[in-house]
Amino acid sequence: QVQLQESGPGLVKPSETLSLTCTVSGGSISFYSWNWLRQSPGKGLEWIGYTYYTGNTNYNPSLKSRVTISVDTSENQFSLRLTSVTTADTAVYFCARDAGYSDYDYAFDFWGQGTVVTVSS
Amino acid sequence: DFQMTQSPSSLSASVGDRVTITCRASRNIDTYLNWYQQKPGKAPKLLIYAASSLPSGVPSRFSGSGSGTLFTLTISSLQLEDFATYFCQQSYSVPPTFGGGTKMEI
Repeated sequence: QVQLQESGPGLVKPSETLSLTCTVSGGSISFYSWNWLRQSPGKGLEWIGYTYYTGNTNYNPSLKSRVTISVDTSENQFSLRLTSVTTADTAVYFCARDAGYSDYDYAFDFWGQGTVVTVSS
Repeated sequence: DFQMTQSPSSLSASVGDRVTITCRASRNIDTYLNWYQQKPGKAPKLLIYAASSLPSGVPSRFSGSGSGTLFTLTISSLQLEDFATYFCQQSYSVPPTFGGGTKMEI
């Protein structure tokens, strides 16, 4: 059974960079795309972007200028960097796997438990 | 972005009830529609993909239907463990977007 676990600071100051890592266990990071999403009371569930195991990425246009998602296949991990954060970036951040159904993308079948990130001085 | 609107936003039901939740897309998304269940403090769980397909392990009391702009999630006989919040999500266009959720309560 694939398991995902987010890790990183729970508190980030405004204007600084949010950095999170997702560690994948119980399966290889290869042959799937790996996603970051977040959830807040104000914006609901929001897709941030994905990295494929090859390093190809795709981002939500609303966040594209501030987001970088990268993959480390040797460590079975992928990471999120979000720069210039504001209080609007306060949310629960989830990592998730795209299920990889044939000719069907963006169905997320395995998720991490989520990590709360608060942006505050 | 494609807007996804769910109704109702909350729903009171009892064990054994048949329940239907509706999701409407702002534009045609064919059958590129997923449903998730989320319990407090937990991650969403994929219930339905491609409007009507069940992932392995999801009980058959859950079913989905619809195409174009109007979709439904039906639970044929509510169980205690089904009291949760349900979200729809379109996967037709990037960025994938979610509905605001339907909270099911006893």
